[in-house]
Amino acid sequence: KNQVEQSPQSLIILEGKNCTLQCNYTVSPFSNLRWYKQDTGRGPVSLTIMTFSENTKSNGRYTATLDADTKQSSLHITASQLSDSASYICVVSESSGGSYIPTFGRGTSLIVHP
Amino acid sequence: SQTIHQWPATLVQPVGSPLSLECTVEGTSNPNLYWYRQAAGRGLQLLFYSVGIGQISSEVPQNLSASRPQDRQFILSSKKLLLSDSGFYLCAWSTGTGGHQPQHFGDGTRLSIL
Repeated sequence: KNQVEQSPQSLIILEGKNCTLQCNYTVSPFSNLRWYKQDTGRGPVSLTIMTFSENTKSNGRYTATLDADTKQSSLHITASQLSDSASYICVVSESSGGSYIPTFGRGTSLIVHP
Repeated sequence: SQTIHQWPATLVQPVGSPLSLECTVEGTSNPNLYWYRQAAGRGLQLLFYSVGIGQISSEVPQNLSASRPQDRQFILSSKKLLLSDSGFYLCAWSTGTGGHQPQHFGDGTRLSIL
């Protein structure tokens, strides 16, 4: 069964600090991995998407890495801001007969304190 | 640019009452459309997806139904709501080649059943 596990479940950091969120998956055959940011009461917004051949993708202060061999991904946030407080969701898609079936992680809740 | 609208933003309904949530997409044609439910502390669960007008696929057996009367309109319905239908409902869309990967989400409807 395809699974996506995220850690930690929640994280509290001080404004200006860096942090790293983890995503481990068992999805196969792998197609791509996305990180989403979901503000409270809003829909998820895509931050990055990586395919098998990509091992790093940046979007401003967000940098995602992918190790397809160990089936792990991380999302690094640099110089955190109060607006980074949100849930971060890892989504891994399986390639199946021309379609792409996503499996969603439960998310990491990040709180940035001033 | 493409946008997605969901309404209402919040809804409180008594058990046994009917439900109709609406989602419309602008700025794209023939999108794949999705309904997801997000329960507290859990990952997004795909409820329905549609690849075209009148074409609905259900991912899980449930008390809900979906319809797509127009190319860019997706409706989630129920004849009689259950307490277990409470949750955060998200509509999403993707381009035709995206398979079943949602690319853009609406801001959701918070449904509370009393």
